Amino acid sequence: AQKVTQAQTEISVVEKEDVTLDCVYETRDTTYYLFWYKQPPSGELVFLIRRNSFDEQNEISGRYSWNFQKSTSSFNFTITASQVVDSAVYFCALSPTSGTYKYIFGTGTRLKVLA
Amino acid sequence: DTGVSQDPRHKITKRGQNVTFRCDPISEHNRLYWYRQTLGQGPEFLTYFQNEAQLEKSRLLSDRFSAERPKGSFSTLEIQRTEQGDSAMYLCASSLASGGSYEQYFGPGTRLTVT
Repeated sequence: AQKVTQAQTEISVVEKEDVTLDCVYETRDTTYYLFWYKQPPSGELVFLIRRNSFDEQNEISGRYSWNFQKSTSSFNFTITASQVVDSAVYFCALSPTSGTYKYIFGTGTRLKVLA
Repeated sequence: DTGVSQDPRHKITKRGQNVTFRCDPISEHNRLYWYRQTLGQGPEFLTYFQNEAQLEKSRLLSDRFSAERPKGSFSTLEIQRTEQGDSAMYLCASSLASGGSYEQYFGPGTRLTVT
């Protein structure tokens, strides 16, 4: 069975602090995709990143960075120097690399960045 | 480039009534997905279309739910004889799933409240 676990329900930080959102997944597939999405209060899910299972290179995009470790089945997301606009619910998702490509989502982590 | 649009954004209905939601995907995307999101949870997969063919339905999609995608363009999701448990956000997403682009782009959702 496929499963995504985001154990952190809610995190609060003060602006400019760094914060890491954890994501642990389970799958029997040998290849798969992992994703992160942001859901601001407006409700629309915004795509942040896609990672192929065979590519374990970490990625940095501005203040965002992602750490993929296949050995521990984790795909963690770090925001450096957080800002109030980063306040949102963040979802990690898993999909197969063939067929429907449907997503299995985690339950999300609500991030509150306080001014 | 317009994104995924959904209509209506909000729907309040009485138990037992039928409702229909519409989704317009990104124009060149051949894959279309419906998800349901309840409060505090991640989106859950409901059904998937490739062009006009409905290729997979979740067990969450009871007989009261039906989805169509005529001509492989927009899609509709109908719920008959609504129940209070149907109250949720219904999200539509589309993707290309080729050429290195496998991420799904989500619409703003339709929030259904059944009273």
